[in-house]
Amino acid sequence: GAGVSQSPSNKVTEKGKDVELRCDPISGHTALYWYRQSLGQGLEFLIYFQGNSAPDKSGLPSDRFSAERTGGSVSTLTIQRTQQEDSAVYLCASSSLRGSSSPLHFGNGTRLTVT
Amino acid sequence: KNEVEQSPQNLTAQEGEFITINCSYSVGISALHWLQQHPGGGIVSLFMLSSGKKKHGRLIATINIQEKHSSLHITASHPRDSAVYICAVLAGGGADGLTFGKGTHLIIQP
Repeated sequence: GAGVSQSPSNKVTEKGKDVELRCDPISGHTALYWYRQSLGQGLEFLIYFQGNSAPDKSGLPSDRFSAERTGGSVSTLTIQRTQQEDSAVYLCASSSLRGSSSPLHFGNGTRLTVT
Repeated sequence: KNEVEQSPQNLTAQEGEFITINCSYSVGISALHWLQQHPGGGIVSLFMLSSGKKKHGRLIATINIQEKHSSLHITASHPRDSAVYICAVLAGGGADGLTFGKGTHLIIQP
């Protein structure tokens, strides 16, 4: 079956522009996570969705970042007024159950470059 | 906030050697993941542990909940094992996001 799909795979944008990144989780997976990996840095948690519950936004670095998940499936991460420090690989992962019961499946990420 | 420490940060070994990568964390967890990221590649989940030991092929992962420590072992290492190995922990309560270690960069030379 299909894995986690992210689009676009690469995005180059000018500073100040808004960008939208998309994640299609594995069908039936209720948990969806967004992470980012900056150059030379480790993975950083951004936001977590579980079904239709209110998302855990504790990892979002600023109010320029927002995410939504429509119909408990596809998720969009939006970055407004992009800055150069937003350049990173943005990764999406999904799992079938909350917490410790299920492994994570990662997408291949969206490489965002802000010029 | 959970602090996740991995060691070593970098490891170069010869093909066939037994490899151990360590992960320590500071706060009780509900699960620990070992992830693998090949250069320029995506992230693959190797193991998810909440207790004991798991084995998959040449990979073995162990966790000691009392000591807040986990190890990833690779037996009969091969150049294709060269990758970054990342430990990630899921909090026992509160936030559901993972906390990641900085990764161990492993190079296996032929």
